Amino acid sequence: GQNIDQPTEMTATEGAIVQINCTYQTSGFNGLFWYQQHAGEAPTFLSYNVLDGLEEKGRFSSFLSRSKGYSYLLLKELQMKDSASYLCAVRGGRDSWGKLQFGAGTQVVVTP
Amino acid sequence: EAGVAQSPRYKIIEKRQSVAFWCNPISGHATLYWYQQILGQGPKLLIQFQNNGVVDDSQLPKDRFSAERLKGVDSTLKIQPAKLEDSAVYLCASSLDLAGDREDTQYFGPGTRLTVL
Repeated sequence: GQNIDQPTEMTATEGAIVQINCTYQTSGFNGLFWYQQHAGEAPTFLSYNVLDGLEEKGRFSSFLSRSKGYSYLLLKELQMKDSASYLCAVRGGRDSWGKLQFGAGTQVVVTP
Repeated sequence: EAGVAQSPRYKIIEKRQSVAFWCNPISGHATLYWYQQILGQGPKLLIQFQNNGVVDDSQLPKDRFSAERLKGVDSTLKIQPAKLEDSAVYLCASSLDLAGDREDTQYFGPGTRLTVL
């Protein structure tokens, strides 16, 4: 099975930086995804990591360390619209048909 | 490009009633997923189709839930009879292919919010 842990909630001010950590224990690993989900809306894809290191996409960056079972999502220059839940999801190996296992999500609250 | 479509957006039923949800994936996407998302939790996979065949339904409560994907395009998810604990958002997602050696992003529909009274 898989266990994915991320903090429940984080608060930061507009313009600041927030780092959301995700740790996972999996029987197989074939990539880690981050999704953003605004209240009442569908999750939208943010980033994908399969190799160790940092992937940067504008204000958002995601890091992966496979040996440590650890990832983080970095949100820079926070804007009010970044207030949302951020979901970490691990994809299993071929024996699990690439199934995604989601964490419970981290609610980020951006204050003025 | 049109996204994943779902209907209805909201549904309120009483326990023991039946309900059905519909999903139309992104055109050309071979893989379709149904998730259940209970408030405050991440989505949980219920069933995964590759074209019109079931790949994984290990977490589908088969005594009351059923799903089909006729012709490998649209899909329906049914609950019969519903229980109070089925109150959740039911999300449909699709992806281009199951191949695990590359990024195969899942794109989600807006979901159906089900309330069972």
